[in-house]
Amino acid sequence: GAVVSQHPSWVICKSGTSVKIECRSLDFQATTMFWYRQFPKQSLMLMATSNEGSKATYEQGVEKDKFLINHASLTLSTLTVTSAHPEDSSFYICSASRDIYGYTFGSGTRLTVV
Amino acid sequence: QQQVKQSPQSLIVQKGGISIINCAYENTAFDYFPWYQQFPGKGPALLIAIRPDVSEKKEGRFTISFNKSAKQFSLHIMDSQPGDSATYFCAARSGNQFYFGTGTSLTVIP
Repeated sequence: GAVVSQHPSWVICKSGTSVKIECRSLDFQATTMFWYRQFPKQSLMLMATSNEGSKATYEQGVEKDKFLINHASLTLSTLTVTSAHPEDSSFYICSASRDIYGYTFGSGTRLTVV
Repeated sequence: QQQVKQSPQSLIVQKGGISIINCAYENTAFDYFPWYQQFPGKGPALLIAIRPDVSEKKEGRFTISFNKSAKQFSLHIMDSQPGDSATYFCAARSGNQFYFGTGTSLTVIP
């Protein structure tokens, strides 16, 4: 149990376009989901906490207008990278929790902006 | 400020040997300490976790040792195998937030 599906697994987009990444909890409901960014050979950096039915909470330094988060239901959160630029190229990972201990990560999305 | 400090950054171990990764923290509000294993191009997967009221937890070849007074915890991989080659992250939880170590790249050579 506790499966988190993330889609797409990789995407290439042109500079200036927007990209949407989906994170779904398949067998449980998640009132809170988390979005992370990971640079090569580095740790996970928390970008924002996605709350179902309310606005996301962004970490300091993360542009909320650039990284739009929508937690439309108890099983789906989306991250939209707007007006993407090459410096936004990274590995984006979501996670969700079934309970206070069981955090499960998605498989990640490799975004390349050309 | 790095809330969880992890070492070493990289580790090379012979097949059958013991891999040891260490983490340290300062925040006494942390109440849950998981270890994650990440293969290239994949998201982290929970490997094993411990709560601070326990000094050791073992699951198969993986053991967490926890020293509450020293605010340190470590992952031991016994009989390390080439398939264990991955990046390992320790983490600590406070509230609903996790703080991750910087990762250890483990290579197990045959």
